[in-house]
Amino acid sequence: DAGVIQSPRHEVTEMGQEVTLRCKPISGHDYLFWYRQTMMRGLELLIYFNNNVPIDDSGMPEDRFSAKMPNASFSTLKIQPSEPRDSAVYFCASSLLPPRYEQYFGPGTRLTVT
Amino acid sequence: KQEVTQIPAALSVPEGENLVLNCSFTDSAIYNLQWFRQDPGKGLTSLLLIQSSQREQTSGRLNASLDKSSGRSTLYIAASQPGDSATYLCAFMDSNYQLIWGAGTKLIIKP
Repeated sequence: DAGVIQSPRHEVTEMGQEVTLRCKPISGHDYLFWYRQTMMRGLELLIYFNNNVPIDDSGMPEDRFSAKMPNASFSTLKIQPSEPRDSAVYFCASSLLPPRYEQYFGPGTRLTVT
Repeated sequence: KQEVTQIPAALSVPEGENLVLNCSFTDSAIYNLQWFRQDPGKGLTSLLLIQSSQREQTSGRLNASLDKSSGRSTLYIAASQPGDSATYLCAFMDSNYQLIWGAGTKLIIKP
């Protein structure tokens, strides 16, 4: 398996623009997680899905953030409008049924908002 | 509030030494504890997963232990190599199936 795939790997955009991050989980995994990593706050869980259904989005910082999972092989995280404080590395991870199975992470998308 | 503390924050040792990384947590009601490795500018790689009913897991030169009663986990790396240089993070899964993360230990193995 190719592992978790994320695109783009790097994104530079201007404040106010819409940003869409993409994730393809490992085939057969039921759970998908979106994380954000910054130097100040470390790793933060934004939202996670089970069988394409959002289970917990309490980590989504504001209404500017939204996530969807239209099918088992694709998810998006959208920021609209983007702000400089959104600059971070965004990771997608997937797993089989927790807590028995570990999470597998994608390479991340490094977002810079100027 | 559940917290995870990793000590030390940074560690530099000569190649070949055995070393121990520490992780402590405040909530004993955990489902599992996971150790990850993160290389600069890269994603996270799962190293070991210890279920709450287990005491330790081993993979090659790595051994992780879990003591729920004391709220501690250790990652033991035997015969360290320069390729082991990375940041090591521990995370435990809470009752909501969410991972609670430590800040990491940055490890440098000097040739």
